[in-house]
Amino acid sequence: DTEVTQTPKHLVMGMTNKKSLKCEQHMGHRAMYWYKQKAKKPPELMFVYSYEKLSINESVPSRFSPECPNSSLLNLHLHALQPEDSALYLCASSPSETGREQYFGPGTRLTVT
Amino acid sequence: GNSVTQMEGPVTLSEEAFLTINCTYTATGYPSLFWYVQYPGEGLQLLLKATKADDKGSNKGFEATYRKETTSFHLEKGSVQVSDSAVYFCALSDNSGNQFYFGTGTSLTVIP
Repeated sequence: DTEVTQTPKHLVMGMTNKKSLKCEQHMGHRAMYWYKQKAKKPPELMFVYSYEKLSINESVPSRFSPECPNSSLLNLHLHALQPEDSALYLCASSPSETGREQYFGPGTRLTVT
Repeated sequence: GNSVTQMEGPVTLSEEAFLTINCTYTATGYPSLFWYVQYPGEGLQLLLKATKADDKGSNKGFEATYRKETTSFHLEKGSVQVSDSAVYFCALSDNSGNQFYFGTGTSLTVIP
C-alpha cells in the first residue's frame, strides 16, 4: 500500500477562520512533508518532519502551523490566511533513508475568501 | 547547489507519437532522480526512478536513463496515448537530506 490520504479534498475559508488540514500514511514512513502548489507551478516545500520532529521550515509565515501527533499523522493548522494563500496543499511521505522517493497525497484545494 | 532544468512546455502530440521530455540536473555528489506525473486535479504520482548512474527507470511504457556524463534524465515513451495527457515533473534528491528539487514541469497534451 503506497497511499497517502488527505482531508478535506476542498476547503473554503475566510481570512478570520481557523481550520486544519489532515494527512495520514500507513507505510511506516518516518519523514513527512507539506508542500504548497500554485497553478502551473512545481510544489514548493513548506515543512519537513523527520521521526516526528520538525527538521525543515522553509521560512513559512506563522499563520501556517504544522503538527505531527504521531508517525502516521501530519496536520497543518491554518489561521488568519490571506487570499494569496489559496493553492493546492500536498502532503507527502518517504522512508527515513535519504534519497528515497516521496509518495504524495491527492491534495487539499484551499480557497481563502 | 542542486537544481533541475526541464524543457519548457506545453507539448502537444498526436496519439501514438514518440515522446521525449528533456531533464538535466546540477547536484553535488550522487543524487537520486525521479519523474512524477500529475493529472488534472490530483496529487503527484511517482512514475519512475533511478538511484545511480546508468540505471534505467521504467513504468507504464515510460523510460528514463540516469546519465552522469551528461547530467541528464530524459523521459521517453514510444507511443503516447490520450490518457498520458498530464504535467510531468523531473526531480532529484541529493541523498544528504530529505529535500527534493523539482523542475518547473512540462505539460503534455495528446490529441486523438
